[in-house]
Amino acid sequence: QVQLQESGPGLVKPSGTLSLTCTVSDDSISNINWWSWVRQPPGQGLEWIGEISQPGDTKYNPSLKSRATISIDTSKNYFSLNLGSVTAADTAVYYCARHSGRHFGDWGQGTLVTVSS
Amino acid sequence: QSALTQPPSASGSPGQSVTISCTGTSSDVGYYNHVSWYQQHPGKAPKAMIYDVTKRPSGVPDRFSGAKSGNTASLTVSGLQPEDEADYYCTSYAGDFYVFGTGTKVIVV
Repeated sequence: QVQLQESGPGLVKPSGTLSLTCTVSDDSISNINWWSWVRQPPGQGLEWIGEISQPGDTKYNPSLKSRATISIDTSKNYFSLNLGSVTAADTAVYYCARHSGRHFGDWGQGTLVTVSS
Repeated sequence: QSALTQPPSASGSPGQSVTISCTGTSSDVGYYNHVSWYQQHPGKAPKAMIYDVTKRPSGVPDRFSGAKSGNTASLTVSGLQPEDEADYYCTSYAGDFYVFGTGTKVIVV
């Protein structure tokens, strides 16, 4: 059973960059085509941020595209999210997920990132 | 792109059925057969319950079923059990991105 674990700072200053890593265990990140980031502001719904494939192709939510960058490191078996120019509206629990076809088959436990000075 | 529209809440007694709707557009739900449903308990990560409109991942009870008509998809939970009380979100593939629904809280009364 694959395991995904998000990690990164829990507090980011406004206008700074949010950086998270998703480490994949018990599976090779090269075996599956697509990996995604999803976020959930406190008390609100889910929002897809973007995805990356093992060759490095990326797709992003149009509403975030200019600020989000997803990258992959197959040698270390993880993929990462950078979100720039953050504001309080970016405060959320951030999840990483593994695709199974066109749905999110496996999820990390999530990590809360707060944007505050 | 706008979020898919779901009712804020739905309720039923143990043993009853509840159906949740998920309304999108002809560019997402109506065009692609890649609608999936996720169950989320408080403080937990979402869990896939239905994918590709009607398919169940391994281990998901057959009490959960999905359907689609036009721009609206639906999730039916039959034989409600207390552990089914949770938030449910639909998602649709929309070409180069995914759009989530607004979420529905299912209450088992």
